Amino acid sequence: DIVMTQSPDSLAVSLGERATINCKSSQSVLYSPNNKNYLGWYQQKPGQPPKLLIYWASIRESGVPDRFSGSGSGTDFTLTINSLQPEDVAVYFCHQYASAPWTFGQGTKVEVK
Amino acid sequence: QVQLQESGPGLVKPSETLSLICTVSGGSVSDSPYWTWIRQPPGKGLEYIGFVFSSGNRGNTHYNPSLKSRVTISVDTSKNHLSLELSSVTAADTAVYYCARGIDAAKVKTWGQGTLVTVSS
Repeated sequence: DIVMTQSPDSLAVSLGERATINCKSSQSVLYSPNNKNYLGWYQQKPGQPPKLLIYWASIRESGVPDRFSGSGSGTDFTLTINSLQPEDVAVYFCHQYASAPWTFGQGTKVEVK
Repeated sequence: QVQLQESGPGLVKPSETLSLICTVSGGSVSDSPYWTWIRQPPGKGLEYIGFVFSSGNRGNTHYNPSLKSRVTISVDTSKNHLSLELSSVTAADTAVYYCARGIDAAKVKTWGQGTLVTVSS
């Protein structure tokens, strides 16, 4: 199984500042024939199901604010939240769907400082 | 707007079978080719259980190898629902169980609210 490791486990950011979450996969999730990284990001608020933010490593899902962006390739990925808003307080998970069984990172809790 | 709702017993005894239904409202189970079950133990991360992917007249099912011998996922188009069966449960199977759907594994954008299943005698 591909192991997904996120860092940090939690971070506190001031409102309006940038939050950066890293995700590292134990194997590359880049599929060379189509040059796509099989990596997504989800946001989960307390008592709610996960919400898809980013897929193919950098494509923002419809309706997701543009302060959320994804980057990276191969084994190293980043979710950036520019100008943190109160509603962004949540746990964020990276997710690989390159090789079954799909796996998730352990989650990063984002709080307001 | 399509909505998903998981239902089933909230308490299951050890060694018994956990059975859940994911009911689709506002749409058809045939509208999406990709259906999945994912679970989350209380206070922990997400674990993929398995998926059903339908393409044309063919359907593919994949299960997490860690659960493969105990899990069955199926789509019932006549009842417009997705089902999950997990046999020989233990306390380690206590979790919130989510059903979700999408175009494929990349775009799983519709989720149910989840249902907590506790395994205890």
